[in-house]
Amino acid sequence: AQKITQTQPGMFVQEKEAVTLDCTYDTSDPSYGLFWYKQPSSGEMIFLIYQGSYDQQNATEGRYSLNFQKARKSANLVISASQLGDSAMYFCAMREMSAGGTSYGKLTFGQGTILTVHP
Amino acid sequence: DAGVTQSPTHLIKTRGQQVTLRCSPISGHKSVSWYQQVLGQGPQFIFQYYEKEERGRGNFPDRFSARQFPNYSSELNVNALLLGDSALYLCASSLYPGQNSPLHFGNGTRLTVT
Repeated sequence: AQKITQTQPGMFVQEKEAVTLDCTYDTSDPSYGLFWYKQPSSGEMIFLIYQGSYDQQNATEGRYSLNFQKARKSANLVISASQLGDSAMYFCAMREMSAGGTSYGKLTFGQGTILTVHP
Repeated sequence: DAGVTQSPTHLIKTRGQQVTLRCSPISGHKSVSWYQQVLGQGPQFIFQYYEKEERGRGNFPDRFSARQFPNYSSELNVNALLLGDSALYLCASSLYPGQNSPLHFGNGTRLTVT
């Protein structure tokens, strides 16, 4: 079973509008972290935002916010006031901390969503 | 401060050859991880090293090996290259492997096997 599911292969948004990128996850581990990364065409993975499984409030970092719905196992990324430079691939990832063993510290990534911002 | 640096940026090898990829973590970071990203997919975990010891290994064959040096830099070695090893290899560092310690990635090494 997929641990991280990103159902939107591609998304389009108008410049200055907000956009939501979907992410659902599957884990039985009570302790986990959720991350969003941006990957421009250059290939570098840029860390955007983190949400811990025990965090009571949704994480925010500038124009990025994470809509964390624990019961539904979703961790959607909201980008407000989109900019042309936001056009990139976006990955949702999870780290399960109780797994231990050979999975210690590993991040599991989804398939990604390509975001295109139109002027 | 310098970010994670990887070398080389691009590499072309022939099937059956061996390759070594190098990574220098962010200063002060003691954990280094390696990921393979095939075109159109998300990165897949290969190895994690923390304090010079292997702490995690993904589902990759024994042709893949790695090590971490006393200065926390790392090398990934791949033997007997196959066409399917063509990918972007990403190195990431973090302060520690803990839940809330984000990985900071380098620009990657793009390996092409012909």
